[in-house]
Amino acid sequence: GENVEQHPSTLSVQEGDSAVIKCTYSDSASNYFPWYKQELGKRPQLIIDIRSNVGEKKDQRIAVTLNKTAKHFSLHITETQPEDSAVYFCAATPFMGTSYGKLTFGQGTILTVHP
Amino acid sequence: DGGITQSPKYLFRKEGQNVTLSCEQNLNHDAMYWYRQDPGQGLRLIYYSQIVNDFQKGDIAEGYSVSREKKESFPLTVTSAQKNPTAFYLCASSVRDPTDTQYFGPGTRLTVL
Repeated sequence: GENVEQHPSTLSVQEGDSAVIKCTYSDSASNYFPWYKQELGKRPQLIIDIRSNVGEKKDQRIAVTLNKTAKHFSLHITETQPEDSAVYFCAATPFMGTSYGKLTFGQGTILTVHP
Repeated sequence: DGGITQSPKYLFRKEGQNVTLSCEQNLNHDAMYWYRQDPGQGLRLIYYSQIVNDFQKGDIAEGYSVSREKKESFPLTVTSAQKNPTAFYLCASSVRDPTDTQYFGPGTRLTVL
């Protein structure tokens, strides 16, 4: 089945700096890659996603890049703000195979933005 | 967010007892999911269902059971066979399958005493 590795596990930045979180996946059939943000005590919420037919997607200060050949994808947050502090999860799911129908999550990255 | 609810928010159980966690959605979504969240391990899939009266095991189904008798409801039973049930349990739903956005409920924190 699919296996998703996420790095780093913790990330500390100053307000205004950029933050990058990287994930690798194992199943070459994976074709959908969402990113979720979970603030302390709250439920995870989708912040951006990318499908395998595109290499990059941007939404204001957030962008995701995908390298299907290397089987990795990354979340980029620019001009970070204290309200970006949260746990971020990447995930992947394939369109076929034994992992079809399952969304596999990375272990999470605790991002702290210092004012 | 208000379209998917879980109850109770906190649940305490004695060892050896079964307990059922509720998950309801009014989003008219076909697919529903149960995840377990432990510190440092992300979200792990327990069971999922893409249609009424059908469900599949996820990666950590042992010691859990589910039913999907109605589109709106996907209850999870934590049985006494689950060796380490203390965790935060999240229910989610999506329109049709995992490649659609998953919307999460507020979660249930289960503690086994």
